[in-house]
Amino acid sequence: GAVVSQHPSRVICKSGTSVKIECRSLDFQATTMFWYRQFPKKSLMLMATSNEGSKATYEQGVEKDKFLINHASLTLSTLTVTSAHPEDSSFYICSASSRGRASDEQFFGPGTRLTVL
Amino acid sequence: GQQLNQSPQSMFIQEGEDVSMNCTSSSIFNTWLWYKQEPGEGPVLLIALYKAGELTSNGRLTAQFGITRKDSFLNISASIPSDVGIYFCAGQGWGGADGLTFGKGTHLIIQP
Repeated sequence: GAVVSQHPSRVICKSGTSVKIECRSLDFQATTMFWYRQFPKKSLMLMATSNEGSKATYEQGVEKDKFLINHASLTLSTLTVTSAHPEDSSFYICSASSRGRASDEQFFGPGTRLTVL
Repeated sequence: GQQLNQSPQSMFIQEGEDVSMNCTSSSIFNTWLWYKQEPGEGPVLLIALYKAGELTSNGRLTAQFGITRKDSFLNISASIPSDVGIYFCAGQGWGGADGLTFGKGTHLIIQP
């Protein structure tokens, strides 16, 4: 099956700093990547959808200047949490899909645990 | 954002018992999906449903896509300890590049 990786798996940062999270599709070209956020014991909430080479589409209520998304290549998307605050602490999960695959299945990464002190 | 109504929220069962959980939505979806998530990991796809009324099995797992496209259920037969985890339903719209709308999850706990 297709493999999606995320880096780092865990990150702790001070309030006010920025953190970059990488999402990579390892064995397929991802035309679309998605970023989700999950609070403890809660569901995954879609934050934004990014297509390679174009601007990300953000869900209602998600600040695009706060959560910068770049999808510069068919195998890499990055999420940068700018000026992080404790309320940004969460589990961030990406997924990737390829229109070349028959089912447009989304393959999820293992997630990144962000803790803002 | 929109969420699917998933129930039950948690289940405490004995090993060997059958499990059933379901999801409903006020909106119709093109695709219904069932995922399992273990602590600290991303969700893993269990079953994907593409046609209204479709009944699909994957080993001990069986899922059905409601005829109205607004609901789905997942059954697990003869539960085993490794079935422990959180199960999520998810719906996807007609656009192939649509993100998923997730249910709130069902936490399955198997008592010894």
